Amino acid sequence: AQSVAQPEDQVNVAEGNPLTVKCTYSVSGNPYLFWYVQYPNRGLQFLLKYITGDNLVKGSYGFEAEFNKSQTSFHLKKPSALVSDSALYFCAVRDEDTDKLIFGTGTRLQVFP
Amino acid sequence: KAGVTQTPRYLIKTRGQQVTLSCSPISGHRSVSWYQQTPGQGLQFLFEYFSETQRNKGNFPGRFSGRQFSNSRSEMNVSTLELGDSALYLCASSLNGGAADTQYFGPGTRLTVL
Repeated sequence: AQSVAQPEDQVNVAEGNPLTVKCTYSVSGNPYLFWYVQYPNRGLQFLLKYITGDNLVKGSYGFEAEFNKSQTSFHLKKPSALVSDSALYFCAVRDEDTDKLIFGTGTRLQVFP
Repeated sequence: KAGVTQTPRYLIKTRGQQVTLSCSPISGHRSVSWYQQTPGQGLQFLFEYFSETQRNKGNFPGRFSGRQFSNSRSEMNVSTLELGDSALYLCASSLNGGAADTQYFGPGTRLTVL
């Protein structure tokens, strides 16, 4: 069965420092991978998506994600964190058997001034 | 383009009642998916509608149902509400449907069942 894991419930980072939010996946075929962000009392906002091609995917708000096939990871990164980046981040993978999106449990990012 | 809209934003119901939630997709998008978000279970897929037909469904009881209209707007209905149905219900639209297509989410409807 396909799955996705976000091993960290919370990530704390100082403003201006680089940030990484981790995601690992398990799929039998080619992965379709997504990152979404959720601000309090809001829906999910799409950040970026990997289908195929370049291993470094650039997305919205200065975020990027690095696809690593050998480590089955799709970590979200940003070179310089902002306080306004504080939110809940979800990684998701397409389950190719059911054609459904499977979401990770979410990682809360706290950026401190 | 206007984003995905959901109405109402907040609802309070009592056990046993039924509720209808509405979702208007991004203009031109033909697929609407519904998700339930709770602290305990996270984000769970309810169903997807494409061109007025249910294309896919999750593992929820039959009390949860939906439909899609010819203008792609969608409604979700929950009958005989239970306390455990309290959740944020999210609607997402996409151009062509399926989980490979990017889904754009609305702000959600917060349902509280008392």
